[in-house]
Amino acid sequence: GNSVTQMEGPVTLSEEAFLTINCTYTATGYPSLFWYVQYPGEGLQLLLKATKADDKGSNKGFEATYRKETTSFHLEKGSVQVSDSAVYFCALRKTYNTDKLIFGTGTRLQVFP
Amino acid sequence: DTAVSQTPKYLVTQMGNDKSIKCEQNLGHDTMYWYKQDSKKFLKIMFSYNNKELIINETVPNRFSPKSPDKAHLNLHINSLELGDSAVYFCASSQDKEGARTGELFFGEGSRLTVL
Repeated sequence: GNSVTQMEGPVTLSEEAFLTINCTYTATGYPSLFWYVQYPGEGLQLLLKATKADDKGSNKGFEATYRKETTSFHLEKGSVQVSDSAVYFCALRKTYNTDKLIFGTGTRLQVFP
Repeated sequence: DTAVSQTPKYLVTQMGNDKSIKCEQNLGHDTMYWYKQDSKKFLKIMFSYNNKELIINETVPNRFSPKSPDKAHLNLHINSLELGDSAVYFCASSQDKEGARTGELFFGEGSRLTVL
């Protein structure tokens, strides 16, 4: 079936460090892939997306590339800030039968000054 | 103004009770959703309504009954609560049914339900 696997957190970094949060997926066909972010005290919000292989989604300095050969959509940022501390969710759109979003378990990022 | 708001944020109750979680969105969206985040932290869709019409109904116990009095509200009522219902429940909305296609879902903060 369709699923998303994320690295377990928390990921703890110092400000200006390089960030990678791994996400791999299992899906039939060609799903669209998404990263959502949940800041403390807020709901999830869409961070970036990619709809086909080799697409790169980017927003707020974050990037993720849709790699079909490795079924991955890893989230990266070159220099994190304290304000990036949040929970990050990887998701895919399941297209069989009904359009649904399938989420991973979320990865908590903590950035310290 | 909060775009998608849920109440209550925290709910602690005894097994066997009936409880409701309310959700309201002020974005003018047509489609609303309920997701459940279980103990393993997976977010799973439960229901989706489009213009007050049920369009997604995942395999959930019929103790769970969503109600959409208008397209800005989608409430979740749970009868005869069980220990396994303890979870965080997220409400979300999207412009239309294409929300899953575009990924443009707007979520509330979540409501943490604890059943004792």
